[in-house]
Amino acid sequence: SQQGEEDPQALSIQEGENATMNCSYKTSINNLQWYRQNSGRGLVHLILIRSNEREKHSGRLRVTLDTSKKSSSLLITASRAADTASYFCATARSYNTDKLIFGTGTRLQVFP
Amino acid sequence: GAGVSQSPRYKVTKRGQDVALRCDPISGHVSLYWYRQALGQGPEFLTYFNYEAQQDKSGLPNDRFSAERPEGSISTLTIQRTEQRDSAMYRCASSRGAGPNSNTGELFFGEGSRLTVL
Repeated sequence: SQQGEEDPQALSIQEGENATMNCSYKTSINNLQWYRQNSGRGLVHLILIRSNEREKHSGRLRVTLDTSKKSSSLLITASRAADTASYFCATARSYNTDKLIFGTGTRLQVFP
Repeated sequence: GAGVSQSPRYKVTKRGQDVALRCDPISGHVSLYWYRQALGQGPEFLTYFNYEAQQDKSGLPNDRFSAERPEGSISTLTIQRTEQRDSAMYRCASSRGAGPNSNTGELFFGEGSRLTVL
């Protein structure tokens, strides 16, 4: 079963615009991670945010976490065509430290 | 090696045959995960090892699926008596730490093994 759901399922924007993706999850977590996947290739880790953190930045990426609402958002600023990919959130549950459970993903298309 | 290596990259087999998928993690990584990914979906957890110990196999669909990591490095996922519904991309990942809640909990994924069962 999958823990998280991303919203929207698909997003199309122009280069230079910002892209915002949301992730909702069901159980208490220790951390939440975001991954990118290009065209069916291997997933690449982007950023990890712990349950006691509210916001984290990495280059053009900004991640927020609201544990009271069990949700996270990923913002990509000044998007580029190369950002076209699927983005997944993944959660490590606080009561089960073994699994990293992935969401359903957001497919982002950035047009030049 | 430099990254997680999986083989074969593509496997086509007939229904009823056994298949073995191999994963060679990043050298020194403690944890190794197996996931299955259907087209357009997120990776679905199958099983997980810390060193050679299988910590959780709750995601394995049924007893035709098994995995091992005998020396705490290379892992093999075996599917016996394959069925058409087993067709999917099988992905392996490793991490430095022991589990996603460790300080180095990010996963490094291989390119996957695409299995097609005819």
